Amino acid sequence: DTGVSQNPRHKITKRGQNVTFRCDPISEHNRLYWYRQTLGQGPEFLTYFQNEAQLEKSRLLSDRFSAERPKGSFSTLEIQRTEQGDSAMYLCAGGTSSGTDTQYFGPGTRLTVL
Amino acid sequence: GNSVTQMEGPVTLSEEAFLTINCTYTATGYPSLFWYVQYPGEGLQLLLKATKADDKGSNKGFEATYRKETTSFHLEKGSVQVSDSAVYFCALSDGGGANSKLTFGKGITLSVRP
Repeated sequence: DTGVSQNPRHKITKRGQNVTFRCDPISEHNRLYWYRQTLGQGPEFLTYFQNEAQLEKSRLLSDRFSAERPKGSFSTLEIQRTEQGDSAMYLCAGGTSSGTDTQYFGPGTRLTVL
Repeated sequence: GNSVTQMEGPVTLSEEAFLTINCTYTATGYPSLFWYVQYPGEGLQLLLKATKADDKGSNKGFEATYRKETTSFHLEKGSVQVSDSAVYFCALSDGGGANSKLTFGKGITLSVRP
């Protein structure tokens, strides 16, 4: 158990609806990362935060996606107007900006868009 | 950009067989290299890592050596067990230890039969 939790674990939604996922890292993780994993592929980087600042966003993160980490602790990832192509596992990972560059992953949120 | 290439799978072995999973990478600078494992129904877990050339990472009987000259980080285990059945991902981080984003390979499924 890495101590990183994600909610919900599963989400089924209809195309066009908005969804929001939450990630809670452990308190020592000043960095927080979001990745997306589709079937048969490795995780792909979406965005990351250091404390409350969003420092990098991937080209994969379209305008329909927004992420926040308002107090530098938990983070939310929102997808607006979902599309079937958004169906994937969304992974969150925590890490620190000093010392080891290991990232600790949560269990993921599986999104299915009908 | 950075990329990680893993050998095609799946791989099926008998218990106590020798395991090699190939991984090569393309990166600028001096990346850190990782192997993550995903057991059925669980999240990604760090298996081992190496942060500079010629370093050997090891854990749970698995080993991998950072080979800069061949840009490789092959995973090996002398005697696999049924409990090693999982999906294995090779990954690198850019940023030279600054805990930046991970780039993953596609992953390979290992099945070990009794």
